[in-house]
Amino acid sequence: QKEVEQDPGPLSVPEGAIVSLNCTYSNSAFQYFMWYRQYSRKGPELLMYTYSSGNKEDGRFTAQVDKSSKYISLFIRDSQPSDSATYLCAMSAWGGSQGNLIFGKGTKLSVKP
Amino acid sequence: EPEVTQTPSHQVTQMGQEVILRCVPISNHLYFYWYRQILGQKVEFLVSFYNNEISEKSEIFDDQFSVERPDGSNFTLKIRSTKLEDSAMYFCASSEGSSGGYLSSYNEQFFGPGTRLTVL
Repeated sequence: QKEVEQDPGPLSVPEGAIVSLNCTYSNSAFQYFMWYRQYSRKGPELLMYTYSSGNKEDGRFTAQVDKSSKYISLFIRDSQPSDSATYLCAMSAWGGSQGNLIFGKGTKLSVKP
Repeated sequence: EPEVTQTPSHQVTQMGQEVILRCVPISNHLYFYWYRQILGQKVEFLVSFYNNEISEKSEIFDDQFSVERPDGSNFTLKIRSTKLEDSAMYFCASSEGSSGGYLSSYNEQFFGPGTRLTVL
């Protein structure tokens, strides 16, 4: 079983739609769950992270982690064309700098005006 | 805003040649990383580096790879004898240090824009 699974899409939505992105994982040692955004020809940029289970909200973005189901989600409300990018989930057993990140494949999102 | 920079943006090389990919991490950061992303595949961890030595490496990071911090600002990845399958985007990342002792804290890894390596 692959460590982190993410539907690569592509996902195309109209402007203003609610977007739901998700990942599943198999390693129960993961404690830190990150969402990175990657624009074309750029490196990944951290959007938000969550420690253990629960929800976290930042503006139009909400991250959810359900450790019992080994399932994480990112919701984008009122999506904008500028949200068009590839969204990568990433996980780590460690929060400190010694933790290497395990990434999902990324979901390519396109928000149409 | 401070950022991680990488040079060159694109490197083309012949199979069997040595390449050196260069990175300048954010200046006060102490941990450095290399990741790679083969076209259409996941971003994969290669190696982490702290206090002038490798702290962790993946199975991908075999004897053909080496890392170095030759001075106070650069961090390099060397591939001794490139293979076709080394063609990928290579990302450098850096982070500040420990999470400060709080279990819920995450020490963000800041990524550079990547170097696209093409092996012919």
